[in-house]
Amino acid sequence: AQKVTQAQTEISVVEKEDVTLDCVYETRDTTYYLFWYKQPPSGELVFLIRRNSFDEQNEISGRYSWNFQKSTSSFNFTITASQVVDSAVYFCALSEGSSGTYKYIFGTGTRLKVLA
Amino acid sequence: NAGVTQTPKFQVLKTGQSMTLQCAQDMNHEYMSWYRQDPGMGLRLIHYSVGAGITDQGEVPNGYNVSRSTTEDFPLRLLSAAPSQTSVYFCASRPGTETYYGYTFGSGTRLTVV
Repeated sequence: AQKVTQAQTEISVVEKEDVTLDCVYETRDTTYYLFWYKQPPSGELVFLIRRNSFDEQNEISGRYSWNFQKSTSSFNFTITASQVVDSAVYFCALSEGSSGTYKYIFGTGTRLKVLA
Repeated sequence: NAGVTQTPKFQVLKTGQSMTLQCAQDMNHEYMSWYRQDPGMGLRLIHYSVGAGITDQGEVPNGYNVSRSTTEDFPLRLLSAAPSQTSVYFCASRPGTETYYGYTFGSGTRLTVV
């Protein structure tokens, strides 16, 4: 069965601190995709990144980086030198290559508060 | 670029009333879906559509109907509103059914049923 766990409900950091958001997933498929979405206070969810199960290379985009480890079934998201604008709810999601219902499983989200 | 447009942004209903949440996308996406977001529960799939004329149920479909007469539009109907349907509703689309696509989300509808 699919499952995505974001154990951190809420994290508060002071601006310029680094912060890592954890995501642990469960799947029986060998082909799957992992995603991160950002939901700022305005409410709209924004796609950040996709990773497929065959690519374990870490990804870096500016202050954002993602660490995908199949051995621990984790896809963690790190923000370096956090800024107030990073305050948002962040969702991790999983979709399976063989899913007959074409749907994602979303985690419950982690609320990040960056304090000035 | 409009993307996914949802209306209304806010709505208050009385128990037993019906209403339709509108969703339209201008990206020619095949796949559209409706999610509800509740505190501590993430996003849960209500209904989805893989193309015009084709719809199917997600994990929480009870109390909701959908239709897909065109590629662009995917309205969600609440048949007889209940307080348990108080939630934030998101419409989302993606280019196709392949599971590697990311979603484009609408801005959401905050619904309160009293």
